[in-house]
Amino acid sequence: GQNIDQPTEMTATEGAIVQINCTYQTSGFNGLFWYQQHAGEAPTFLSYNVLDGLEEKGRFSSFLSRSKGYSYLLLKELQMKDSASYLCAAMDSNYQLIWGAGTKLIIKP
Amino acid sequence: GAVVSQHPSRVICKSGTSVKIECRSLDFQATTMFWYRQFPKQSLMLMATSNEGSKATYEQGVEKDKFLINHASLTLSTLTVTSAHPEDSSFYICSASYPRTGGNEQFFGPGTRLTVL
Repeated sequence: GQNIDQPTEMTATEGAIVQINCTYQTSGFNGLFWYQQHAGEAPTFLSYNVLDGLEEKGRFSSFLSRSKGYSYLLLKELQMKDSASYLCAAMDSNYQLIWGAGTKLIIKP
Repeated sequence: GAVVSQHPSRVICKSGTSVKIECRSLDFQATTMFWYRQFPKQSLMLMATSNEGSKATYEQGVEKDKFLINHASLTLSTLTVTSAHPEDSSFYICSASYPRTGGNEQFFGPGTRLTVL
C-alpha cells in the first residue's frame, strides 16, 4: 500500500535549526511536496523535489533521496511564526498526492 | 499566479439543510480540482477528484449522493453537502491542479469551515 510517515510533533527553540523527516512508499513516484499549514488555515506550498539532492529556498531547504524513499525539510533561523504543521506529500504514478499526517512544530522562545 | 479562491469561508447551518461551497482558480485553468476534508488535528483526507466536464471520482467511504461535486468549467468546481448533519462539521478545502515539469502541483483554496448545528 501507499504510506507516508512523519513525526507527529517536534519542538525547537527560536533561532535554532530543525529537520523534519518524511519517509514514503508509493506506487510510482512523481515528486515530493512539503506544505506548511497554520491552525485553521489551508496548506501553503513550500517545496517540490523530484530529483535527488538538496533544494534551498531562503531559510527553508528540502532534501530527497528516491532510492531510500526519504525526504526532509530543514528550517533554519527559526522564528515564532514558523510554528505550524508541516505536511509531507508524495505524488504517485497517477499524479495523486498521498499525504502524511503532518508534523506539528512548536517553537519556544 | 496560481491563486485559488473558495467561498464561503465559514458557514453555519441547521441539520438537514444543504450547503454549497465554490472553488475557483482565478488566474489559471484547472483541468483537475480536488476536494479535501480535514478534522481537527488530523491530516487532509481526499474526498474526491473532479475533472472538468466529467463525473467526479470519489474516494472509498465518501458518499457521492451526499457530497455532490460539479466541475462545470475549467475555473469552477462546487461541492454541495446535502442534508448536512453535525458529523459533517469540518474544514473543507479545495485545490486546483497546476501543471509543472514532472508533475502537477496543487494550489489550495483558503478552506471553508462548516458547522452544522
